[in-house]
Amino acid sequence: QVQLQQSGADLAKPGASVKMSCKASGYTFTNYWMHWVRQRPGQGLEWIGYINPSTDYTEYNQKFKDKATLTADKSSSTAYMQLSSLTSEDSAVYYCARWPYAMDYWGQGTSVTVSS
Amino acid sequence: DIVLTQSPASLAVSLGQRATISCRASKSVSTSGYSYVHWYQQKPGQPSKLLIYLASNLESGVPARFSGSGSGTDFTLNIHPVEEEDAATYYCQHSRELPYTFGGGTKLEIK
Repeated sequence: QVQLQQSGADLAKPGASVKMSCKASGYTFTNYWMHWVRQRPGQGLEWIGYINPSTDYTEYNQKFKDKATLTADKSSSTAYMQLSSLTSEDSAVYYCARWPYAMDYWGQGTSVTVSS
Repeated sequence: DIVLTQSPASLAVSLGQRATISCRASKSVSTSGYSYVHWYQQKPGQPSKLLIYLASNLESGVPARFSGSGSGTDFTLNIHPVEEEDAATYYCQHSRELPYTFGGGTKLEIK
């Protein structure tokens, strides 16, 4: 069965960077784009961007262009997202989601807390 | 960016009745015979679940009481008959062009 297993919660200081992972199983990793979504506490969903794991091609929401970097490792079927120059505004749950025609499978989310 | 406006922001529906959620786009999200709108359900503390893709296609495993319709700029998610387990927040999303934005969400309460 399709599963997206995300890395655990992260606590980071302002100005630091974090890198989270999303390990895919149960399907051919390179056949589907991987999307990332942010959800701040009590707020709605925000689309960050996606990566094509087959070609490493990426697209970003301009809002996250200088914040997020998406990568993928075909050998381990794992997608990564690095967030840089963290501020309290980046405290949120981040989800990865597989995309065949929409986001059909989601990871459980990685909670990032930015605090000094 | 295409802005998706959902209404209402919240609604309370009696068990067994119909829930109707609207999603209006700031420009057309339909082209070449397809409408690039998708609907998700999210329960507290959980990731979202895909319900409807491309405006009206029911995702595998989703109960038939969920249905989607619309084209151009106006889209609707219907749930009938509503069940207790449908209490959740519902989001629409478009994929017509970058960025793939979401609507603000509609919280459904079951009376």
